[in-house]
Amino acid sequence: AQSVTQPDIHITVSEGASLELRCNYSYGATPYLFWYVQSPGQGLQLLLKYFSGDTLVQGIKGFEAEFKRSQSSFNLRKPSVHWSDAAEYFCAVGETSYDKVIFGPGTSLSVIP
Amino acid sequence: EAGVVQSPRYKIIEKKQPVAFWCNPISGHNTLYWYLQNLGQGPELLIRYENEEAVDDSQLPKDRFSAERLKGVDSTLKIQPAELGDSAVYLCASSLNLGHNEQFFGPGTRLTVL
Repeated sequence: AQSVTQPDIHITVSEGASLELRCNYSYGATPYLFWYVQSPGQGLQLLLKYFSGDTLVQGIKGFEAEFKRSQSSFNLRKPSVHWSDAAEYFCAVGETSYDKVIFGPGTSLSVIP
Repeated sequence: EAGVVQSPRYKIIEKKQPVAFWCNPISGHNTLYWYLQNLGQGPELLIRYENEEAVDDSQLPKDRFSAERLKGVDSTLKIQPAELGDSAVYLCASSLNLGHNEQFFGPGTRLTVL
């Protein structure tokens, strides 16, 4: 069965510092991969997705993610974090374009001035 | 363009009482999803619809949960009777169709069962 792990439950970074959120999945083929962000009291918003092609994908709000098949990872990065980036981040995986999406447990990001 | 609308935003009920949540997806979106999100966890799919048809309800606890999407537009999720463990956020999402995974989420309904 598919599974998604996000090893870091909580991360704190200083504003302006770089950020990397880790995501690992368990699935044999190349899955459909997503990163979503959830601000307090809000629904989830898609940051970026990977289906095929270039393994480095660009998303909204200055985020990018890199798919590494050998490591079964899809880590999210941002070169310079803003205070408004404080939120919960979820990695998600789908087996096919028609399959349901499985969400990881999330990483909570705090940003200190 | 209006997003996914959910109501109510918050609901507090006594255990064993019934409760219903409503969702109106983005116009033109054929696929609708209901998720359960417990505190500190990611969303878990309860049911997904393609138009009026429930295409995946394997995770829906059918002894107490029910859902409908009668005209293939808005949807209602019901719990009867509610239990203490049902306290969570119930998220609704929609996408263009089953083969288009980009989901758009509503703000959720936070349910507290006392």
